[in-house]
Amino acid sequence: QQPVQSPQAVILREGEDAVINCSSSKALYSVHWYRQKHGEAPVFLMILLKGGEQKGHEKISASFNEKKQQSSLYLTASQLSYSGTYFCGTENTGGFKTIFGAGTRLFVKA
Amino acid sequence: DAGVIQSPRHEVTEMGQEVTLRCKPISGHNSLFWYRQTMMRGLELLIYFNNNVPIDDSGMPEDRFSAKMPNASFSTLKIQPSEPRDSAVYFCASRMGQERNQPQHFGDGTRLSIL
Repeated sequence: QQPVQSPQAVILREGEDAVINCSSSKALYSVHWYRQKHGEAPVFLMILLKGGEQKGHEKISASFNEKKQQSSLYLTASQLSYSGTYFCGTENTGGFKTIFGAGTRLFVKA
Repeated sequence: DAGVIQSPRHEVTEMGQEVTLRCKPISGHNSLFWYRQTMMRGLELLIYFNNNVPIDDSGMPEDRFSAKMPNASFSTLKIQPSEPRDSAVYFCASRMGQERNQPQHFGDGTRLSIL
């Protein structure tokens, strides 16, 4: 089952914060976050393994609540370069394949 | 370091023709994934290999699609015969090992247009 991402799209002004959510109906082992700019390949941001850890990457961080089967990506003090489509990919406890959500389009304007 | 290399970058062909997409994973990576991306269906996993062996091909749309990985440094995705609805961007990705704390590294993709 494909994870559900919300919101589908968000528009920010430079410097504003955003949260992107990802939820699954299945027990998760890990959540992966990628960013894709138009016409380019998805680029890895971070992986969160079950255990409720939180990770950070510059001003982008994420959390994983395995009990709720949810993950959230936090973008703080957004920059123009953050624009793109953010995908979460989930891996279930029983397999090795990553299933990606439909993506969240983020547009940061000056 | 060289990343995942896909060829061709663009392919335009007429329906009914055979199409072959190629992928060279990052050296040392032993898991390889083929994805298809469209506006309507997003990023779909077609098939993945581990140590050159197909593990899960449940995402392959139909018998017209086939994938092979004859060795650790090369994989192909073939569509025969091609149809207009196969038009999409096809990505190949590789990952080191089966450890799920490792990221997938994507190639630049092949933009396929079937007329």
